[in-house]
Amino acid sequence: LAKTTQPISMDSYEGQEVNITCSHNNIATNDYITWYQQFPSQGPRFIIQGYKTKVTNEVASLFIPADRKSSTLSLPRVSLSDTAVYYCLVGDNYGGATNKLIFGTGTLLAVQP
Amino acid sequence: GAVVSQHPSRVICKSGTSVKIECRSLDFQATTMFWYRQFPKQSLMLMATSNEGSKATYEQGVEKDKFLINHASLTLSTLTVTSAHPEDSSFYICSARMGQEAFFGQGTRLTVV
Repeated sequence: LAKTTQPISMDSYEGQEVNITCSHNNIATNDYITWYQQFPSQGPRFIIQGYKTKVTNEVASLFIPADRKSSTLSLPRVSLSDTAVYYCLVGDNYGGATNKLIFGTGTLLAVQP
Repeated sequence: GAVVSQHPSRVICKSGTSVKIECRSLDFQATTMFWYRQFPKQSLMLMATSNEGSKATYEQGVEKDKFLINHASLTLSTLTVTSAHPEDSSFYICSARMGQEAFFGQGTRLTVV
């Protein structure tokens, strides 16, 4: 399973765009990149997933360069409620339901007024 | 969307007693579920993979006789912490995958006194 490296913490202000980068130098050909958000005392929540280039949904964008050795989660115009820990995971989706997810350290994003 | 539900959300027990935590997939069948433990300000640590109709697979360092896992149906997995001690106090989270997405329960806060 590919290991991921993220900044331990980041600070931002309301209304700013936040970009969190994750390194995954040993990503395998079949691996997808998935980001989760976790609030205190809650289970992680899926944010976005991608394989290459750019993926966008209603809450975030995910940028993946051609070599796929890193990825960047972009949160547009953050608010106080976006204060949470963000985890980047890589894994083989073709393993189906048995493919376990290994969490790295995550990034604690603190949004201030 | 798919939902994974845990019960109870929090439990306090006396040292030496056993506690059972339930994890249910509410609107999909999950032949495999995952159990995680999370200590304060730390990431999720995978404890074991729960397989319907067969024995669970434990991660290295996790005592299988202490953390009993039963996956008797396609929608229910249980984790029993046996002879609990204060050091077992933690946040326990279960997860199940449906397709490419993993869904997490809301977590169970266990406090052993």
